[in-house]
This record gives sequence, structure tokens and C-alpha cells, in this order.
Amino acid sequence: EDQVTQSPEALRLQEGESSSLNCSYTVSGLRGLFWYRQDPGKGPEFLFTLYSAGEEKEKERLKATLTKKESFLHITAPKPEDSATYLCAVRLNFGNEKLTFGTGTRLTIIP
Amino acid sequence: KAGVTQTPRYLIKTRGQQVTLSCSPISGHRSVSWYQQTPGQGLQFLFEYFSETQRNKGNFPGRFSGRQFSNSRSEMNVSTLELGDSALYLCASSLAGSPDTQYFGPGTRLTVL
Repeated sequence: EDQVTQSPEALRLQEGESSSLNCSYTVSGLRGLFWYRQDPGKGPEFLFTLYSAGEEKEKERLKATLTKKESFLHITAPKPEDSATYLCAVRLNFGNEKLTFGTGTRLTIIP
Repeated sequence: KAGVTQTPRYLIKTRGQQVTLSCSPISGHRSVSWYQQTPGQGLQFLFEYFSETQRNKGNFPGRFSGRQFSNSRSEMNVSTLELGDSALYLCASSLAGSPDTQYFGPGTRLTVL
């Protein structure tokens, strides 16, 4: 069965303390891995798309990487405004927009 | 470019009623997907519409249905509401036709009493 698992479930960091969030997947035929950020009461906000192992994408303090079995979202010197739930999702087939989501990592950055 | 819009933003219904939610995709996007988000199950795929046709469906009962209009706007309907249908319903749009990214709306918060 296709699965997406995110860890840790929750993470509290001091401002400026770098860390990584993990998304592991057991799917056959990955056609894209997506990272989203979600603030309470809002819809997910798109961050990155990764398609192949070895690919990396960066945006401000965030960097996403992809291997054959997992993806990492690295957060460098985070600020309180980076506090949110970070969601990972996979798409399995072209011509099919269905995304399978992990349960997310709730990140809190303490000033 | 305007983002995905969803109406209404909040809705309170009672068990047994039905509800219709609306989604307007980003201009030019032809694919609209719907998701249900609850604290216990996270984001679960409901269905996807492309060019007015349902292209994929998740594991939800037949009480959940949807449709897409020629202007790509989409509606989803839930009949005979149950307490467990209380959730944030999210709509996402994408260009489709090639691997692409889904952009989400703010969601409709449905509360069933």
C-alpha cells in the first residue's frame, strides 16, 4: 500500500536553530513530491516540487532534497514566522492530479 | 493573478441536511481537486475534475459528489450530512495536461451539529 510518513510529528526549535524535517514514502512510481506549508485555518501554501532523486530546491531559509525513498526539508536559521505545519505529498501518476499527503510536521520556532 | 477562491468560508449545518461548496480555480487552470482535512485523518483526496469530467475519485461514500462547469469552476455536494463530515474542505487547481503543481484555496470550514 502506498504510504507517506512524516517525522517528527512536532518540533520546537529556538530561533536560529537549524534542523530537518523528514518525509519517507513507500510508493511505486513516484511522479512528483511536493512540500506545502499550512498555517492554522488556512489552505496549504505551495513550497517545492521535486521529481527525481538527487534534485534540490531552495527558497529563503528552506531547502528541499529528494532521494529514492525520502525527502528532507532543511530549515536554516529559522525565524518565528517559519512556525507552521509542513506537509509532504506525493503524486503517483501523470494525467492524475491526486495527491497523497503525509500527516505533517508541526514546527514551532521560539523567539 | 488571483488565487483559488472558495465560498462560503464557514458553514454550520445539522445532521441530515445537504450542503454545496463552491470553488473558483486560478484563471487558466483546468483541473480542480477536492480534499477533506480533519485532525485525525489529515488531508484526504475526494475527487478531481478536468474539463468537466471526473478523472479520479477517492474512497468516500456516494454522499459526496461534485461537478465542474465549462468555465472550470467546481462545486461539491454532501448529502445527508453526518457529524463526521465536519472538516475543512479544500479545493486545489492546476494547469494539468503535464506534471504540474496544485494550488490550494483557503478552504470551507464545515461544522455539522
